[in-house]
Amino acid sequence: GESVGLHLPTLSVQEGDNSIINCAYSNSASDYFIWYKQESGKGPQFIIDIRSNMDKRQGQRVTVLLNKTVKHLSLQIAATQPGDSAVYFCAENISNSGYALNFGKGTSLLVTP
Amino acid sequence: DVKVTQSSRYLVKRTGEKVFLECVQDMDHENMFWYRQDPGLGLRLIYFSYDVKMKEKGDIPEGYSVSREKKERFSLILESASTNQTSMYLCASSPGYGSEGYTFGSGTRLTVV
Repeated sequence: GESVGLHLPTLSVQEGDNSIINCAYSNSASDYFIWYKQESGKGPQFIIDIRSNMDKRQGQRVTVLLNKTVKHLSLQIAATQPGDSAVYFCAENISNSGYALNFGKGTSLLVTP
Repeated sequence: DVKVTQSSRYLVKRTGEKVFLECVQDMDHENMFWYRQDPGLGLRLIYFSYDVKMKEKGDIPEGYSVSREKKERFSLILESASTNQTSMYLCASSPGYGSEGYTFGSGTRLTVV
């Protein structure tokens, strides 16, 4: 299947700043997107998702934006904390392709004091 | 609170050994997945199953097989372990068809020597 890509492999931000992690996808049939957070030594954890009939969704301190025109997805983390340091993955599900998600390679977020 | 359990966190096996990685979920999910995770390559799908005794090849099934005799258990089998199968293995489950997020296990780090 088509791969989901990330613009930057690493991102360093200062504690308290906002973080933005970007993701590009290439399949216009993708209809569902998810962001996962993976801390060292742990499995990925669900953060937030968005369906293709939406362009924005907010959670606690996180916002996902979807721009279908340019096939771009972003994760915004407000007031970044040291506990946000992790690898972040975006994933897509392609409509009618079956059960499996297609994952990007991940962005490492490092929060500095 | 653990919902997807992988039986081992760390394994060391010898080249040529038959290796079993076990995964159990307690959420009555239909779908289960095995991924491997390698630096720079992200998560790659090995096999998945959408029902008991059903299995589908993912992107990199060579050298692996799977077994799903019960709904809650999905086993990954390395028929004859090789050093290039040294990796982090992640099991996941999801409740239904298509647009659903996964719940991941904590991963098994396998080293083949």
